[in-house]
Amino acid sequence: SQQGEEDPQALSIQEGENATMNCSYKTSINNLQWYRQNSGRGLVHLILIRSNEREKHSGRLRVTLDTSKKSSSLLITASRAADTASYFCATDGRSGNTPLVFGKGTRLSVIA
Amino acid sequence: GAVVSQHPSRVICKSGTSVKIECRSLDFQATTMFWYRQFPKQSLMLMATSNEGSKATYEQGVEKDKFLINHASLTLSTLTVTSAHPEDSSFYICSARDVREGEKLFFGSGTQLSVL
Repeated sequence: SQQGEEDPQALSIQEGENATMNCSYKTSINNLQWYRQNSGRGLVHLILIRSNEREKHSGRLRVTLDTSKKSSSLLITASRAADTASYFCATDGRSGNTPLVFGKGTRLSVIA
Repeated sequence: GAVVSQHPSRVICKSGTSVKIECRSLDFQATTMFWYRQFPKQSLMLMATSNEGSKATYEQGVEKDKFLINHASLTLSTLTVTSAHPEDSSFYICSARDVREGEKLFFGSGTQLSVL
């Protein structure tokens, strides 16, 4: 089952601009993770934020989490053409080795 | 990070044939692996959880006799699409966790199945 929605579904920006993607989810979570997928490839983990955290940074990535609104955002600063990919949020509702539930994803195009 | 290897990357088969997809954890042991399916420009849908040495757990609506999962060792899980039909054409991706890396999932590179 889908956990929620990503917004926007598609985003096209110029190189150097910032890209913001939003994710909403439905159930309580243990943590929320963001993944990147290049076309026709597997997913790569970007960043994880726990339910008791509000913000996290990793290089050009900034993730926020609002558990009261059941939403998260991913900000990519100073985007590059190589950032072109689909980005998915995924929620982990329980502790232990459980599967992730993925959102619908945002397709980001960064134009050089 | 941990590496998950998935083969084949692409397969084309005739309707009615069976196709086996392999998923290996190369540098770690995985007692559990997760199989997802993805349609073009859509999200990943969990199909089943593969457990080493025991039966897989299938998600609602996924036919276990259609999608046979075997997890015979700590580093290998296989998904066999039996009697494939065109509607089974999709992108199949496996994933697993490495306990040394916490809660993140490591994914194979995926298998694009096309059934003619």
